[in-house]
Amino acid sequence: NAGVTQTPKFQVLKTGQSMTLQCAQDMNHNSMYWYRQDPGMGLRLIYYSASEGTTDKGEVPNGYNVSRLNKREFSLRLESAAPSQTSVYFCASSENRATGEQYFGPGTRLTVT
Amino acid sequence: KNEVEQSPQNLTAQEGEFITINCSYSVGISALHWLQQHPGGGIVSLFMLSSGKKKHGRLIATINIQEKHSSLHITASHPRDSAVYICAVETSGSRLTFGEGTQLTVNP
Repeated sequence: NAGVTQTPKFQVLKTGQSMTLQCAQDMNHNSMYWYRQDPGMGLRLIYYSASEGTTDKGEVPNGYNVSRLNKREFSLRLESAAPSQTSVYFCASSENRATGEQYFGPGTRLTVT
Repeated sequence: KNEVEQSPQNLTAQEGEFITINCSYSVGISALHWLQQHPGGGIVSLFMLSSGKKKHGRLIATINIQEKHSSLHITASHPRDSAVYICAVETSGSRLTFGEGTQLTVNP
């Protein structure tokens, strides 16, 4: 099993460009999450999906959109990238939103110039 | 004030030492998670606990719900334990709120 995979691993964007971060899990988990990690701050939740077909905002959703394409895949889209979105992005999944540990992908390092 | 505070922020130890990392939180929680972030950036879940104590190999996690405090202990520390250790609390709606992490360096 690959666990949680993310693409790309690195990306550089210019301000105003758009891109989609892809995430997939092969553990048949119901819940999936997108986090960002910035220096001096803990991980912060951007969006989550408790189950296929549902998505909800987290702590820092502005400037992002998500799509739970199916049970396996949960993508994060930046419509018009800004330098403040320079960060490391982690996707995670868990069997159930109410219980259970979260499994993290390897992360995407995004730089917006 | 952050909802989740970890101490210390940085910790350097010699191989073999007993290590304790502390986590205090200010909100009601349903569970507390300890995670390890490797130097390469990957994040692994170590423990999820809602009461008492859990042990896995040389790692022990405890939680005191009344005092809103948890500790992560590492016995017989080894250089491969060098990593960032992150505490996260699960609040209503199962959202995770993370501490800033403790950078642990274990020297041979």
